Amino acid sequence: KQEVTQIPAALSVPEGENLVLNCSFTDSAIYNLQWFRQDPGKGLTSLLLIQSSQREQTSGRLNASLDKSSGRSTLYIAASQPGDSATYLCAAVHQTGANNLFFGTGTRLTVIP
Amino acid sequence: DTGVSQDPRHKITKRGQNVTFRCDPISEHNRLYWYRQTLGQGPEFLTYFQNEAQLEKSRLLSDRFSAERPKGSFSTLEIQRTEQGDSAMYLCASSPDTGKEHFGPGTRLTVT
Repeated sequence: KQEVTQIPAALSVPEGENLVLNCSFTDSAIYNLQWFRQDPGKGLTSLLLIQSSQREQTSGRLNASLDKSSGRSTLYIAASQPGDSATYLCAAVHQTGANNLFFGTGTRLTVIP
Repeated sequence: DTGVSQDPRHKITKRGQNVTFRCDPISEHNRLYWYRQTLGQGPEFLTYFQNEAQLEKSRLLSDRFSAERPKGSFSTLEIQRTEQGDSAMYLCASSPDTGKEHFGPGTRLTVT
């Protein structure tokens, strides 16, 4: 069974700092890996999707990387802003089966003005 | 594209009662998923539909849970004889055959 782990569980940074969120997964036979943002009590917003054949994806101040061989992905946020405060979840999709997402427990980010 | 919608957004029920949630996916999406999320945890997969066929169910989906997607469009998730441990956010997502999942806002269930 795929297990996804995110470290740290919580992170506080001052506004303007660059930061990295980490995600590791146990089964490298993934189809893709996604990063989501979740605001308190709300649903999930997809941020970036990296196909298994790709190494990274970028969108604005966000950059996500994928290293299948080591079972790791990182989400880099540049020049953090208070509006970035949320929980960030990574999720892996297996190569076979229903293509459902296996989620980590998330990193709760607080950007301090 | 109006997004995935879920109804109700919040439900408070007494233990032992039955509840039903509805999900309306993005219209052209063939795939529909249900997830459950408890406080401080990531969402956990419950079940998956390809059009009207329920193709996979998690072990989390006990006999008290049933999901349907009768015409391959909207889906319902019913929980019978609710227990306090059923309190969670129930998330619905849809996707095309190849592409990322789009999530709804969720239904928060509280069992008292």
